[in-house]
Amino acid sequence: DAGITQSPRHKVTETGTPVTLRCHQTENHRYMYWYRQDPGHGLRLIHYSYGVKDTDKGEVSDGYSVSRSKTEDFLLTLESATSSQTSVYFCAIRGLMNTEAFFGQGTRLTVV
Amino acid sequence: AQKVTQAQTEISVVEKEDVTLDCVYETRDTTYYLFWYKQPPSGELVFLIRRNSFDEQNEISGRYSWNFQKSTSSFNFTITASQVVDSAVYFCALSLSSGGSYIPTFGRGTSLIVHP
Repeated sequence: DAGITQSPRHKVTETGTPVTLRCHQTENHRYMYWYRQDPGHGLRLIHYSYGVKDTDKGEVSDGYSVSRSKTEDFLLTLESATSSQTSVYFCAIRGLMNTEAFFGQGTRLTVV
Repeated sequence: AQKVTQAQTEISVVEKEDVTLDCVYETRDTTYYLFWYKQPPSGELVFLIRRNSFDEQNEISGRYSWNFQKSTSSFNFTITASQVVDSAVYFCALSLSSGGSYIPTFGRGTSLIVHP
């Protein structure tokens, strides 16, 4: 299994509060991705990173920011959580010589 | 732009039946990769297979087989003699090699329910 850990695994937060999800990898892979999974929508890309401090927006980036200060960590921040951000969030990693991505266990976030 | 369509939202079969999950993709690139992932009820996403655009050979792995046809832009997945453990959501994905990003774009998934 790919060495990828997401934390927390579950979180309930109130509308308007900031939330940070962490993705940690031990594979030293260059590429990291954040997706959200919602019923009827599959997985949609939020942000991705192609190196330390190199990030870019995905399809559904509004309301989210990311940071990657170390190769192993990719943080996803909801500056002010809204109910529409209730979802399951997946982090994925990909090595430079690979084409397939490997996923973490997911974080179930509920915004009430 | 790239797009993946999994028209089957949910499929229900009885154990030992064969089942095919459809995947149709759109891209103008000539170099691309196609994938299938499985998401069992426990929630994790498991990589099953990768196929590149220059390799149209079909692949078989045990009860699983994949049929890639560029002429119809399809990458279908067949499970032979389905089992209850095959119950899961299956995602088809496409990534392009442009810029080296290989960012996967996913279909909406097909939920397969295998009844005993």
